[in-house]
Amino acid sequence: QVQLVQSGPEVKNPGASVKVSCKASGYTSNTYGISWVRQAPGQGLEWVGWISAYNRNTNSAQKVQGRVTMTTDTSTNTAYMELGSLRSDDTAVYYCASFDYASSGYYYTYWGQGTLVTVSS
Amino acid sequence: EIVMTQSPATLSVSPGERATLSCRASQNIYNNLAWYQERPGQAPRLVIYDASTRATGLPARFSGSGSGTEFTLTISSLQSEDFAVYYCHQYNNWPHTFGQGTKLEIK
Repeated sequence: QVQLVQSGPEVKNPGASVKVSCKASGYTSNTYGISWVRQAPGQGLEWVGWISAYNRNTNSAQKVQGRVTMTTDTSTNTAYMELGSLRSDDTAVYYCASFDYASSGYYYTYWGQGTLVTVSS
Repeated sequence: EIVMTQSPATLSVSPGERATLSCRASQNIYNNLAWYQERPGQAPRLVIYDASTRATGLPARFSGSGSGTEFTLTISSLQSEDFAVYYCHQYNNWPHTFGQGTKLEIK
């Protein structure tokens, strides 16, 4: 069974950066992707970006382009999302979600528990 | 970017009755649509993928239909644990996009 375990909550000042991790276990191949989805307080789900564990290709939402960096460490099966130049409207729970695009599709079968990122001075 | 529009925003239904949730895409997404259930304080949970395939472990009272631009999630005979927020998600194109959610509440 696949499990995604995320790092703990963060509090950051405006203008700072935050790096959230997502450790995947249970995958038998690296043909999977990790998407990052965020949810501001009381709001809906917003797609942030994704990275392929296979070839490390990435794609991100226009809203965060230039501020987000997504990476993977294949030795530990951990994905990272770093968001810079933080603003108050980046305050949200950040989820990682995975999909096996080789055997199934691009829908999100597994989700991490979420990481609350609070941007406040 | 494909815009996903869900309706209604809130749906009030009595336990044991049927709920029908709608999702519309701004352009053709074929059957590349998923539905997720989100309960308070929990991560979203996959309910339906490829528009009509139930995720592993989901009871048969959940069903999905549609293709192209119009999609429906139907929950027959609502149970107490079904009252939650439901999101549709298109994965036909990048960027992936979600609907704004439908809150299913107890009438």
